[in-house]
Amino acid sequence: EPEVTQTPSHQVTQMGQEVILRCVPISNHLYFYWYRQILGQKVEFLVSFYNNEISEKSEIFDDQFSVERPDGSNFTLKIRSTKLEDSAMYFCASSGSSGVQFFGPGTRLTVL
Amino acid sequence: QKEVEQDPGPLSVPEGAIVSLNCTYSNSAFQYFMWYRQYSRKGPELLMYTYSSGNKEDGRFTAQVDKSSKYISLFIRDSQPSDSATYLCAMSAVAGNNRKLIWGLGTSLAVNP
Repeated sequence: EPEVTQTPSHQVTQMGQEVILRCVPISNHLYFYWYRQILGQKVEFLVSFYNNEISEKSEIFDDQFSVERPDGSNFTLKIRSTKLEDSAMYFCASSGSSGVQFFGPGTRLTVL
Repeated sequence: QKEVEQDPGPLSVPEGAIVSLNCTYSNSAFQYFMWYRQYSRKGPELLMYTYSSGNKEDGRFTAQVDKSSKYISLFIRDSQPSDSATYLCAMSAVAGNNRKLIWGLGTSLAVNP
């Protein structure tokens, strides 16, 4: 069964450093998303991406965040200068025309 | 009023019990309703997906949507210890290609053998 994959599973970084979180969506899906979940809090929408551009972004998704689909299979989230409050689980999701989103296992980001 | 409200529990039931999980929402534009299951430190796994109002059944799981009351439910019949997880409701409005999901906090369920 096709699935969304994410790497790394756990990333530890120092405050102020740049991190890139990687995702491989399901191959025939056209819509891609990043969400995050701070421990004990709701899952929060960050950004949606379609046709090589951002469809919508939340207030959280400020200038320190960017997304890219560098080739036909990968979808990345870059955080330019990490802050302590960026520590969270980051989930990638993809969907086809039905709109049903399938999630990857997540990357746990720890900012020290 | 929060967009999506969900009682975080925890909910503890004996094996074999019928479990009822619920969410309420405030945005009448929501059209797609989903239930996800999440195990600790894992990604959400889709359980049920419903468009607009009505019921949907899949095995031991039944999802109900009552748009007039802005209320959705997930029922689990003959609950098993393997059903122990956090159950998240999520919903979205129809908005072109954008299908951002708005989430409840999740209800923690423990099914005891």
